[in-house]
Amino acid sequence: ETGVTQTPRHLVMGMTNKKSLKCEQHLGHNAMYWYKQSAKKPLELMFVYSLEERVENNSVPSRFSPECPNSSHLFLHLHTLQPEDSALYLCASSHAGDLRGEQYFGPGTRLTVT
Amino acid sequence: AQTVTQSQPEMSVQEAETVTLSCTYDTSESDYYLFWYKQPPSRQMILVIRQEAYKQQNATENRFSVNFQKAAKSFSLKISDSQLGDAAMYFCAYRGDLRGLRFGAGTRLTVKP
Repeated sequence: ETGVTQTPRHLVMGMTNKKSLKCEQHLGHNAMYWYKQSAKKPLELMFVYSLEERVENNSVPSRFSPECPNSSHLFLHLHTLQPEDSALYLCASSHAGDLRGEQYFGPGTRLTVT
Repeated sequence: AQTVTQSQPEMSVQEAETVTLSCTYDTSESDYYLFWYKQPPSRQMILVIRQEAYKQQNATENRFSVNFQKAAKSFSLKISDSQLGDAAMYFCAYRGDLRGLRFGAGTRLTVKP
């Protein structure tokens, strides 16, 4: 596999479920990001990990819990979500500290909360 | 907080013609980077072009070029000789620190054959 991969690609979950989204990058990057893309809102930055340390938590509700066990993997743990959390969740990676560097995006996980 | 505004939700262009997508942003910083990303239907987001704020010269990448007006905080994207494969959502994005990108709401570009 090359680039940034995300699993699952589609997820339907009830409001009481617990699930996790997985992101893996094969680009040798050391910064990873979670973004939320809703239908009628700009992409929202959720979390940033740089060198495996969280450097941004953009006022995200605690029902979203990120985990970055190493520089290649990023998880987003979900629990007791709300219908308004339904969205496309995008993972991205880049070289840490390189502000002009391109962020490489995964295909996203389409989440539907019922 | 930095904000990015794309005032054109949808744009349409005839194949082989030129189209310009608008973007404005708000920041108090002097050093930052601006980007245009493209998200084709059901495909991954990819970088189209980037601009460093300290550079006066506008960036160009083949058929894509920007008009960067720092004082006006404007960063428009011009696509020349539009092709069917240019049809996508285009997002303007700002980055001024180690946090992630700040995106605009996007412009959906349709290319008519």
